[in-house]
Amino acid sequence: DQQVKQNSPSLSVQEGRISILNCDYTNSMFDYFLWYKKYPAEGPTFLISISSIKDKNEDGRFTVFLNKSAKHLSLHIVPSQPGDSAVYFCAASPYNNDMRFGAGTRLTVKP
Amino acid sequence: NAGVTQTPKFRILKIGQSMTLQCAQDMNHNYMYWYRQDPGMGLKLIYYSVGAGITDKGEVPNGYNVSRSTTEDFPLRLELAAPSQTSVYFCASSYQDSGEKLFFGSGTQLSVL
Repeated sequence: DQQVKQNSPSLSVQEGRISILNCDYTNSMFDYFLWYKKYPAEGPTFLISISSIKDKNEDGRFTVFLNKSAKHLSLHIVPSQPGDSAVYFCAASPYNNDMRFGAGTRLTVKP
Repeated sequence: NAGVTQTPKFRILKIGQSMTLQCAQDMNHNYMYWYRQDPGMGLKLIYYSVGAGITDKGEVPNGYNVSRSTTEDFPLRLELAAPSQTSVYFCASSYQDSGEKLFFGSGTQLSVL
């Protein structure tokens, strides 16, 4: 059962424009939502997170929005830079250790 | 400060062979995890540990075993390797649970032929 879904396998944007990556989940017990970034031949690295009591969290160029009623979250990157080109994973965690990951979205930022 | 270190980076096994994937962290994290990532899929949790001497199954534990004799090390054992275990394996650690961000190793690419 795929409890965390990223329905767009890839996204291409122009440098300087906004990148919007989307994620949907099905489990109402998820309390924390995280985004990880992964470069080839490396492990994922943490990018930004949000708890279920908030609807927005911002860190520099990265903002995560959470819509609990729609069970949807999104990551906005503004402005996008070529160095942002990577695979982005959405993850969600309930109160225990069972963090669930989406399949990832490959972002390409073109100069 | 090395973070999470995984060895080996690549390995090819024959069907039925066994091997141990090594994982060590130097951040004094209590929680450690093993994930596998299949092509086009998200990471799936194999096993996790909340401290030395304590391990528990994740979403896909069949065909694997783990041990946690120290805080630093969390090896993953594959017994009787099967083609279905061809995957990229990631070890991770965190200080706490409940949404605490994970620190990942660089991964082990395993092929079972």
